[in-house]
Amino acid sequence: NAGVMQNPRHLVRRRGQEARLRCSPMKGHSHVYWYRQLPEEGLKFMVYLQKENIIDESGMPKERFSAEFPKEGPSILRIQQVVRGDSAAYFCASSQSGLKNNEQFFGPGTRLTVL
Amino acid sequence: QKEVEQDPGPLSVPEGAIVSLNCTYSNSAFQYFMWYRQYSRKGPELLMYTYSSGNKEDGRFTAQVDKSSKYISLFIRDSQPSDSATYLCAMSSNTGNQFYFGTGTSLTVIP
Repeated sequence: NAGVMQNPRHLVRRRGQEARLRCSPMKGHSHVYWYRQLPEEGLKFMVYLQKENIIDESGMPKERFSAEFPKEGPSILRIQQVVRGDSAAYFCASSQSGLKNNEQFFGPGTRLTVL
Repeated sequence: QKEVEQDPGPLSVPEGAIVSLNCTYSNSAFQYFMWYRQYSRKGPELLMYTYSSGNKEDGRFTAQVDKSSKYISLFIRDSQPSDSATYLCAMSSNTGNQFYFGTGTSLTVIP
């Protein structure tokens, strides 16, 4: 049973380009969470999605960032017109349900570097 | 004030020592408390989960929650070099969907 998969593992973009980060949840999981981890900082919640629905995007910057979790295929975190401050590790987690006592399983992360 | 405060360390101990890791928090609504372990360049993995106050033990790991003091701890007994990692505390309330993470404490267990 494969765990949470994220790709690419490393992504380099120049300022102004778009970054697309993909997350495939564990089999049977329909809840996906995206987090950002900056050096010397903890994981920061960005967005919580279920299939075809954004449940909570309170942690997402208002501009340039968007997320989706289509009926088929992986969840996508999209960053338009990237800036150097977007350089970070982006982690995706999945859970079987949205209940608080349901474990979130994390993927290995995508490390984004903006030149 | 941050929602969750965690001493970043680094913490270095000899093999076999007892390790104590701690977090404090400000939101009295937090009810769910977790400890994650993160190896370098990897995603976090859940170690311990506690609901409300009390202690929970799992092998060499013990999690404690003191809600009156807004203080949680993770104890590692008989520490091993393989325990060397960053340990993250996380917590959440009954309402909302966010988990709030500490910055992580870097632990090195020296053989």
